[in-house]
Amino acid sequence: GAGVSQSPSNKVTEKGKDVELRCDPISGHTALYWYRQSLGQGLEFLIYFQGNSAPDKSGLPSDRFSAERTGGSVSTLTIQRTQQEDSAVYLCASSLEGIRELSYNEQFFGPGTRLTVL
Amino acid sequence: SQELEQSPQSLIVQEGKNLTINCTSSKTLYGLYWYKQKYGEGLIFLMMLQKGGEEKSHEKITAKLDEKKQQSSLHITASQPSHAGIYLCGAPRADKLIFGTGTRLQVFP
Repeated sequence: GAGVSQSPSNKVTEKGKDVELRCDPISGHTALYWYRQSLGQGLEFLIYFQGNSAPDKSGLPSDRFSAERTGGSVSTLTIQRTQQEDSAVYLCASSLEGIRELSYNEQFFGPGTRLTVL
Repeated sequence: SQELEQSPQSLIVQEGKNLTINCTSSKTLYGLYWYKQKYGEGLIFLMMLQKGGEEKSHEKITAKLDEKKQQSSLHITASQPSHAGIYLCGAPRADKLIFGTGTRLQVFP
């Protein structure tokens, strides 16, 4: 496909369970981002990958959240022992190169995974 | 408080009317991205402004960047139902984008 894809599109889980969210970026894009969008919170940055390494993990809200990227392509965001406040839409984006101030570098977003923790 | 504030938070207009959405930063802007989001979908890139005073248009949507005021405005001319959605501004900060609070636009016939 031509765009960023994410799976699953919807995930309902029980509090305390672990979940894995997947992102397939656009082929050839070196940079990959995870964001979270909650009601009333706007769009929050979680983590940024350049290749397989994550130079910026500053947005991960707790140590229950982790992410990895393999082969410079697919990324998985894992949330352990989910809590109700984790309910949100998790968006993935990719860009050809990393975002830099004063340089144009469009981020292409996936459709998101809607996570509901009961 | 949010680094990027958008106003208004919500807007309901009649089809055919013009409207403006503002995005104000509390810090220096090194470019500004505008995105649109429809419910249940990802963000769709509209345009990116790089320099102060720059103005870009895409169909009936025009955006302008005022570096001195640390502000960008997005103007829609002759709004249509297809313009409905959430408009988000994003500013590059180091290696990521930070986003504004969003403006929800509804257009009724």
